Amino acid sequence: GQSLEQPSEVTAVEGAIVQINCTYQTSGFYGLSWYQQHDGGAPTFLSYNALDGLEETGRFSSFLSRSDSYGYLLLQELQMKDSASYFCAVSPGSARQLTFGSGTQLTVLP
Amino acid sequence: DTGVSQDPRHKITKRGQNVTFRCDPISEHNRLYWYRQTLGQGPEFLTYFQNEAQLEKSRLLSDRFSAERPKGSFSTLEIQRTEQGDSAMYLCASSLVQGHEQYFGPGTRLTVT
Repeated sequence: GQSLEQPSEVTAVEGAIVQINCTYQTSGFYGLSWYQQHDGGAPTFLSYNALDGLEETGRFSSFLSRSDSYGYLLLQELQMKDSASYFCAVSPGSARQLTFGSGTQLTVLP
Repeated sequence: DTGVSQDPRHKITKRGQNVTFRCDPISEHNRLYWYRQTLGQGPEFLTYFQNEAQLEKSRLLSDRFSAERPKGSFSTLEIQRTEQGDSAMYLCASSLVQGHEQYFGPGTRLTVT
């Protein structure tokens, strides 16, 4: 089976940097994705890592270590609009269906 | 615009009734996924289509759930004999075969009373 662990809540102030960690155990692995979901909204894609290393997209970066079954999402220059739930998700099969973690609720304070 | 759309957005039904939801994916996307999300949890995979073929179903998916994607375009998810435990947000997503990004629709919120 698959399991993912990520912190349930993180709080930070505007302008700060926050890191959301994710560890996973899966029977197969094609990649680690990150999705953002605002209250009442649909999940939206942020980033994807298939290989070890850091991927940067604007204020967001994502890291993967396959040997450690670990990844993180780094959010820089936090803004109030970044307050949302963040989910890590693994693709255990070639069909790319996603297994999601339980999510991290990020609260950005002024 | 051509994002993923779902209908209805909300559905309230009595226990034991059947319900059907519709998903219209982004037109050029071959892959279509159904997920279920309950409060405070991440989306849970239900089933997946590539074009019109249903290629995978979650082993956790009850026989009361069935999905179709005729002609490889829109998809429907039917739940028969609904139970209170079926209350959740049902999300549809689509993607290209070679893509790793899934585009989610706004979801159908089901409440079983």
